[in-house]
Amino acid sequence: NAGVTQTPKFQVLKTGQSMTLQCAQDMNHEYMSWYRQDPGMGLRLIHYSVGAGITDQGEVPNGYNVSRSTTEDFPLRLLSAAPSQTSVYFCASSYVGQENSPLHFGNGTRLTVT
Amino acid sequence: AQTVTQSQPEMSVQEAETVTLSCTYDTSESDYYLFWYKQPPSRQMILVIRQEAYKQQNATENRFSVNFQKAAKSFSLKISDSQLGDAAMYFCAYRSAWALQGAQKLVFGQGTRLTINP
Repeated sequence: NAGVTQTPKFQVLKTGQSMTLQCAQDMNHEYMSWYRQDPGMGLRLIHYSVGAGITDQGEVPNGYNVSRSTTEDFPLRLLSAAPSQTSVYFCASSYVGQENSPLHFGNGTRLTVT
Repeated sequence: AQTVTQSQPEMSVQEAETVTLSCTYDTSESDYYLFWYKQPPSRQMILVIRQEAYKQQNATENRFSVNFQKAAKSFSLKISDSQLGDAAMYFCAYRSAWALQGAQKLVFGQGTRLTINP
């Protein structure tokens, strides 16, 4: 059982480059989300989705785009990378409507923008 | 908006001793959930314990227990008989019970790095 799979694990970008962080889950979870983790700031919500075709902004959405065309995949796009986007990114998923459903996290992507 | 504060950036404890990590939160809601997550050097996020606000009884999971003080908006984690494998970053997190469309949006604290001394 793969759970939540994030690729790549590490990435280095130059300022202005674009890239997509991939997230896939095989648990048929309706809810998927992206967080960024920065030292001294914990994890902050970037974007989230409660089902295919539905996305919404979290606390820190600027500079990031998402789409949800399937239940399984929730990619995060950086259209023009900036040094301020250097961070560790986590994808997380869970069932909707089940209060005891825990949030399952991927193993993170460490992104460095130079 | 809800906020979660962990005022201890770093803590250390001798192996086999007990340590308590502090967490306070701010909310105007009466129904919510609180969590402690562990993040070892592998970067994996591991759910340690969960507390429902409507439950007065403090949650316990083996060596991990919480002291939930709803009126004081405090949610501390106690680790008994500390083991080397407990060394990690610990995050406190809040989630509203009334999740719009089921969105499990967690609000995290800043984290506490726990070191276990052998």
